[in-house]
Amino acid sequence: SQQGEEDPQALSIQEGENATMNCSYKTSINNLQWYRQNSGRGLVHLILIRSNEREKHSGRLRVTLDTSKKSSSLLITASRAADTASYFCATVPTGGFKTIFGAGTRLFVKA
Amino acid sequence: EAQVTQNPRYLITVTGKKLTVTCSQNMNHEYMSWYRQDPGLGLRQIYYSMNVEVTDKGDVPEGYKVSRKEKRNFPLILESPSPNQTSLYFCASSPGREETQYFGPGTRLLVL
Repeated sequence: SQQGEEDPQALSIQEGENATMNCSYKTSINNLQWYRQNSGRGLVHLILIRSNEREKHSGRLRVTLDTSKKSSSLLITASRAADTASYFCATVPTGGFKTIFGAGTRLFVKA
Repeated sequence: EAQVTQNPRYLITVTGKKLTVTCSQNMNHEYMSWYRQDPGLGLRQIYYSMNVEVTDKGDVPEGYKVSRKEKRNFPLILESPSPNQTSLYFCASSPGREETQYFGPGTRLLVL
């Protein structure tokens, strides 16, 4: 079963607006990662947040992690048409070896 | 250039005809994985390898085999492909199991 679940499944916004995606997971983790995928291509790592961190920034990306709620959010500020892609969260349960990806959020940014 | 390569990129085959998808990384990573991606299901891990000669099942291993005889290579073998294995396959590598994964470009497989 999928540990990570993103919502919404799809999001359509105008260029310049902010986009927020959420991810929930089920077990304890040591870190959570967000990846981006352009249509049918390989995934690209965006950001890693550790379980002892609450918030992390990278350029226009802001990630939060709430381990008590087992959830994370990815905020893309001032979105651009080039941000159109699918976004996935990924986790490895503490002590485990399998990587679990969510089903992803498809973001469409209209120019 | 640091990269993960997969071959072939596209493959059309028939049911029951054995095939191998190769994966190679040049970053000396210990952890390697295979995933399949199907519409609406995200990425599901097929097999992973912690190091040479150490492999284990992911969430959807049925119908697949892997081997890790060298650190850089992690081929995916379909002994008797079936139409439900039609999918987009990705290989990935990382320094460790919880670290950033680097993905290959993907292999689109169609089994008729």
